[in-house]
Amino acid sequence: QVQLQESGPGLVKPSETLSLTCTVSGVSIRTYYWSWIRQPPGKGLEWIGYVYNSGNTNYNPSLKSRVTISIDTSKNQFSLKLGSVTAADTAVYYCARGPLDYASAWYIYWGQGALVTVSS
Amino acid sequence: QTVVTQEPSLTVSPGGTVTLTCASNTGAVTSGYYPNWFQQKPGQAPRALIYSTNNRQFWTPARFSGSLLGGKAALTLSGVQPEDEADYYCLLSYGGTQVFGGGTKLTVL
Repeated sequence: QVQLQESGPGLVKPSETLSLTCTVSGVSIRTYYWSWIRQPPGKGLEWIGYVYNSGNTNYNPSLKSRVTISIDTSKNQFSLKLGSVTAADTAVYYCARGPLDYASAWYIYWGQGALVTVSS
Repeated sequence: QTVVTQEPSLTVSPGGTVTLTCASNTGAVTSGYYPNWFQQKPGQAPRALIYSTNNRQFWTPARFSGSLLGGKAALTLSGVQPEDEADYYCLLSYGGTQVFGGGTKLTVL
């Protein structure tokens, strides 16, 4: 079955770069949309962006200048880098799988979430 | 900046009916925004309920239904059960980018 697992540091210093990896099993990462979504403690969900077709990306305009999502097909992983972080970037970060085509169901599969705290 | 608005909180009695809505500051929500709905319970990742306006996932109970209502996307729960108490989020797609609504906290009381 399809499984997603986030990994990466749980603590990042202000102004540094947050880096997370999502390891996918049960399906090839060469197909589908692959997304990052975050949720600050006690708050709602925020779409960060996605990668598809083995390298094309779309990002949240409010984060676009700081975000890079990339894909490693050899490891069946995709990654998130968020630069110049502040305390406002403290959140649970989820990776999630989108559909094969845009009109179908989004985010049926999610990772368990990784809490990243930005603090010195 | 695109903003998607949901009711912050709603309360419903067990067995009752409630409608949650999802509005866009860009104008009326249509099927072309491919509205999706998610349920989230404390400490869990969100769970997909509805896609493309009104299509249930196979695990979604029939008491959940999606629609377009008055220029908004809507999620109606009929015959609400205690286990439906949760946060609900809509997701709208804008030609390549996506925006989640702020979420509705549904209390069953």
